[in-house]
Amino acid sequence: DADVTQTPRNRITKTGKRIMLECSQTKGHDRMYWYRQDPGLGLRLIYYSFDVKDINKGEISDGYSVSRQAQAKFSLSLESAIPNQTALYFCATSDQHSYGYTFGSGTRLTVV
Amino acid sequence: SQKIEQNSEALNIQEGKTATLTCNYTNYSPAYLQWYRQDPGRGPVFLLLIRENEKEKRKERLKVTFDTTLKQSLFHITASQPADSATYLCALGHNQGGKLIFGQGTELSVKP
Repeated sequence: DADVTQTPRNRITKTGKRIMLECSQTKGHDRMYWYRQDPGLGLRLIYYSFDVKDINKGEISDGYSVSRQAQAKFSLSLESAIPNQTALYFCATSDQHSYGYTFGSGTRLTVV
Repeated sequence: SQKIEQNSEALNIQEGKTATLTCNYTNYSPAYLQWYRQDPGRGPVFLLLIRENEKEKRKERLKVTFDTTLKQSLFHITASQPADSATYLCALGHNQGGKLIFGQGTELSVKP
């Protein structure tokens, strides 16, 4: 099993719909992140959480919300999806004692 | 605002040559810099970290330099192989295990 699992892998949704992307990890890491990746723009941070009771906005949080249900689970919601939220979304984890991130395989979201 | 720039053009090189990728940054004083590899449809994978007080780091065929005066890191792959073909991302961070800011990535293609 993958260390960081994202579901679904692909999703097509309509404008205005609510959608949730889920992330779970078996690394035992306390820190979790949501990034989106767009061609030519790289990875941009949406939200991050350093423990279950800690949620922080990243550089592009508007239109998104998150929930840290447990140390191992961090979900990202789009309350009312719009076409410019079409992107590849990545969840990542890290540990306060290490440096490198462990990424999931991503969710490709298309909003039509 | 903080900005990270990587070679915007794809880099095409011949097998066996050394690939050199550049990461420049402005309006930022990172404590460390990381390099990741990303294959199509996959999440980035952590390769190397170099701290602000280190000039050079090596790992097998990989070498990273970090010049905090020039605000630049160079990433070298020696004796490159077609299997090294991927997109390479640099990322900057302040705190151990903390949030990272990513560059947009450079696509490397190694031809046999």
